Amino acid sequence: DIQMTQSPSSVSASVGDRVTITCRASQGISSWLAWYQQKPGKAPKLLIYAASSLQSGVPSRFSGSGSGTDFTLTISSLQPEDFATYYCQQANSFPLLTFGPGTKVDIK
Amino acid sequence: EVQLVESGGGLVQPGGSLRLSCAASGFTFSSYDMHWVRQATGKGLEWVSAIGTAGDPYYPGSVKGRFTISRENAKNSLYLQMNSLRAGDTAVYYCARAGPQLAGAIDYWGQGTLVTVSS
Repeated sequence: DIQMTQSPSSVSASVGDRVTITCRASQGISSWLAWYQQKPGKAPKLLIYAASSLQSGVPSRFSGSGSGTDFTLTISSLQPEDFATYYCQQANSFPLLTFGPGTKVDIK
Repeated sequence: EVQLVESGGGLVQPGGSLRLSCAASGFTFSSYDMHWVRQATGKGLEWVSAIGTAGDPYYPGSVKGRFTISRENAKNSLYLQMNSLRAGDTAVYYCARAGPQLAGAIDYWGQGTLVTVSS
């Protein structure tokens, strides 16, 4: 089974900061990677698919990169509404999915 | 507008059974792969099962043999039959749609239904 790890597990940042979250797969997954944002009490929201493609309606301050085993999600200028938990998800063995453990972005 | 509405959650004793339902609307349900994903309180997301358009089911080892996913396209409905429930199955269960041409990503989620396994 493919395992996913994320770092850091949490990050404290200020509005306007650039934030980068890393996701690593236990084996190569090409570009079969998605990123989600989840706020407390809400369902996750898709941000990025295919490692670097921005989902429709998602602000351009979100970007994704990487392929193989190492991936990053970058928020170029953190906004108040971006404080949330972020998850990566691999789909190389689709429809079998695996999620990363999550990264919480909170206010410094 | 795409909508996924789960129902059927509740309190069940260890070893008991529960059937979750998901009513889909706003898209051609029969044309999409569908998933169940769960989340224990304060924990991360865990994939529980998937079903293809042809009705082919998929499960992780943690629920294989205990959970059964099914779909009824004529009713635009997805189901999850959960047997031999354990305390570790306590979570919010989300119904979710695999997005078309999105490399396996999920583009729509329901609001979730809470399953509590406790005596």
